[in-house]
Order: sequence, then structure tokens, then C-alpha cells
Amino acid sequence: DIQMTQSPSTLSASVGDRVSVTCRASQGISSWLAWYQQKPGKAPKLLIYKASSLESGVPSRFSGSGSGTEFTLTISSLQPDDFATYYCQQYNSFSWTFGQGTKVEIK
Amino acid sequence: QLQLQESGPGLVQPSETLSLTCTVSGGSISSRSYYWGWIRQPPGKGLEWIGSIYYSGSTYYNPSLKSRVTVSVDTSKNQFSLKLSSVTAADTAVYYCASMCGSGSYGDYWGQGTLVTVSS
Repeated sequence: DIQMTQSPSTLSASVGDRVSVTCRASQGISSWLAWYQQKPGKAPKLLIYKASSLESGVPSRFSGSGSGTEFTLTISSLQPDDFATYYCQQYNSFSWTFGQGTKVEIK
Repeated sequence: QLQLQESGPGLVQPSETLSLTCTVSGGSISSRSYYWGWIRQPPGKGLEWIGSIYYSGSTYYNPSLKSRVTVSVDTSKNQFSLKLSSVTAADTAVYYCASMCGSGSYGDYWGQGTLVTVSS
């Protein structure tokens, strides 16, 4: 099974900050990686798919990069609505694995 | 735009079988563009993929749950279902259904989730 290691687990930042979350795969997954945002009591919301493709309707301050085993989600200028938990998810041979999540908190 | 809605009992007895249904609206479950999946989230914890199905009936399961999971599809009702047998308190979670796009590689539409508690 492919394991996903996400870091940091918690991130404290201020509105306007540039923040990044990293996800590492235990083996190469090409670009089969997605990023989700989840707010308390809500379902995850797709932000990025295939490592760097922005889902329709998602603000352009969100971006994704990477391939193989190391991936990054970047928020260029943190907005009040962005305080949430973020998960990466890999896809390999009809199997998914999620990272542990990164909670973005107000500093 | 697809909409998905989970339904089923909110309380299941230990050792019994958890059964949930996901009703899809706004599109056909027989679409070749989608796989359909179940994901769960224990209270205060992260997300765990349970299993996925294609309209043809092909199924794919999390190896850690495979012995207890069955996912099925009913194209006539535009629904797919989850059965998880021999449940314990560790199976208490919010269960989500999702449409899985890009050859099943990511979830673009999700249900709101339903909390299932395993307790006597």
C-alpha cells in the first residue's frame, strides 16, 4: 500500500500570508494526487486534481505542484475563508490513500 | 451538477452489518465518466477510503477492510450501496459517498455525510 505523509500537521498563519503544505508518497505516483479543503461538519471540497489542475470555481490563490513522491499545496495569500483542514489524496491502481491532514489556524 | 445523498441507520449494534445507500441525482450512475466511492471519517480524525464501484459492477476495496466490505450498484434506481459487516466501535464515523472523476482518481462531488454510531 502507498502511504502518504503530510506536513505540517498544524500551521498557524495570518491573513495575507503565503502558506504551503507538503505531501510525500511512499512510492512514485506520477501526478495522481488531489488536494481537498474540509471545514468542520462539512464534506471535503476538491481544490486541485492531477497534482496541479485547479478545480473549476476554486480561487486562483490555490495552486498545486510536484510529481513522483513530493507534492505541495500553496495558498498565495491566505484569506479568512481559508482557515480549514487540508488533505492530500493519492490514486494508484484503483486505490486511494489520504494524508493525515493539515489544520490551518489563525495566528 | 451531480448531487449525492447518503441514507441509512444512524445506529448499528456491534457485530451487525452497517448498510448505507447513496442516491445520485443530476446525472446517471451509468455514466462512463465516473466511478462511485465510499469514504469515512471517525470523529476528530482523518479520511479513509473504503471502496469504489463502476457502473458495470467492478469493485475496488481498501485492503484493510476488504474482508468486511461490499459495494454494489443499482442502475435502475441510480443508487449505489455500502455494506460493512461485523462492525465494532472503531467503525463509528461519518460516512461519505462521492463521485470519482478522472478514471476514478479524485472525488469531485460529495454527499453531505451521515454519522453512523456503533453501540449497543
